[in-house]
Amino acid sequence: QQQVKQSPQSLIVQKGGISIINCAYENTAFDYFPWYQQFPGKGPALLIAIRPDVSEKKEGRFTISFNKSAKQFSLHIMDSQPGDSATYFCAASKQSSGDKLTFGTGTRLAVRP
Amino acid sequence: DTEVTQTPKHLVMGMTNKKSLKCEQHMGHRAMYWYKQKAKKPPELMFVYSYEKLSINESVPSRFSPECPNSSLLNLHLHALQPEDSALYLCASRTGGSGNTIYFGEGSWLTVV
Repeated sequence: QQQVKQSPQSLIVQKGGISIINCAYENTAFDYFPWYQQFPGKGPALLIAIRPDVSEKKEGRFTISFNKSAKQFSLHIMDSQPGDSATYFCAASKQSSGDKLTFGTGTRLAVRP
Repeated sequence: DTEVTQTPKHLVMGMTNKKSLKCEQHMGHRAMYWYKQKAKKPPELMFVYSYEKLSINESVPSRFSPECPNSSLLNLHLHALQPEDSALYLCASRTGGSGNTIYFGEGSWLTVV
């Protein structure tokens, strides 16, 4: 029940295209869903996060869509750029036990020029 | 400012050595974490300190010994490690209150020879 399933494992997108990464969770007690971006040799950096009381959150070119009934959430990167090439991790946690993030398995995104 | 500083960035140690990884944050965060990350995998939680007290130990072998000298500092003492312990070790800290945002440092690359 603690798993977060992430797909695809890898993704290649042309510059200017839309990158879409999907995650699904099982534990209905999760109430915080962040996305992290990690470049090679660096630590994960918080990209954007959402709570289940909203269905969508947008920050610049990055949008999280959240479907509570389906227990799914996704990251959309609009106008993808080569600089977006990185590994993306979705995650989930419960506010009541905010100490533990459950991570997805990661998606390696390559944006071709 | 959301900075978590880790030293050293790279560490090579023999299996009989004793070394330490250090982490510092000045954001007033009261929860601090150690994660371990292997190549192409998500971070795995090792330890959590909350208000300078160890609150979570994810069954980590005793050759890893955490220490929280004060609310800004977190150490990870290493002794008698194995080659399979080679990984990126990430320190993180969390905002308090209702926020669950966890911020990661750049990590310390550990190689055990």
